[in-house]
Amino acid sequence: GAGVSQSPRYKVAKRGQDVALRCDPISGHVSLFWYQQALGQGPEFLTYFQNEAQLDKSGLPSDRFFAERPEGSVSTLKIQRTQQEDSAVYLCASSLGTSGGDTQYFGPGTRLTVL
Amino acid sequence: EDQVTQSPEALRLQEGESSSLNCSYTVSGLRGLFWYRQDPGKGPEFLFTLYSAGEEKEKERLKATLTKKESFLHITAPKPEDSATYLCAVRIQGAQKLVFGQGTRLTINP
Repeated sequence: GAGVSQSPRYKVAKRGQDVALRCDPISGHVSLFWYQQALGQGPEFLTYFQNEAQLDKSGLPSDRFFAERPEGSVSTLKIQRTQQEDSAVYLCASSLGTSGGDTQYFGPGTRLTVL
Repeated sequence: EDQVTQSPEALRLQEGESSSLNCSYTVSGLRGLFWYRQDPGKGPEFLFTLYSAGEEKEKERLKATLTKKESFLHITAPKPEDSATYLCAVRIQGAQKLVFGQGTRLTINP
């Protein structure tokens, strides 16, 4: 079946612009995660949804970052007033349930470049 | 603080030359240790989950093992197509998120 998809794959923004990144999880997956990956580093957690509820947003670096999943499927990560330090790959992952053993399946990521 | 450290940062091998990648962790309570493979420009691809010390899992030329403080990813007789970055991550008790190491960039020369 289809995996996790993300759009756009690449985004270039001027400093100060707002951006919106979309994630389509695997159909039926309850849990959805956003991670940020800097060049040469491992992914870092941003936020977690269980269905439409945002249960953990402890990794969001500032109040310029906002995520939503209003109907419990598609999710959007929004970054307001982008800064150069926001340049990174943003990864979305989904998992079937909420148990500790659930595998997180990742999308291809959106590469954001802020000029 | 929960921490995951991978070594080496980069490893270059000749085709057929077996080796191991290390992932050491310091966490408050382990609920699972995950290995992923990541190719350039792509998202991480799931390989293995390990839950308890002594557990081992195998897939083709890869074998993952787990102790109370570290995990190893053993690569036997690697091929050039095994070249990738290998990521280790842990899930801790009371949380759903994964905490990743910085990865090991593996290159297999023909």
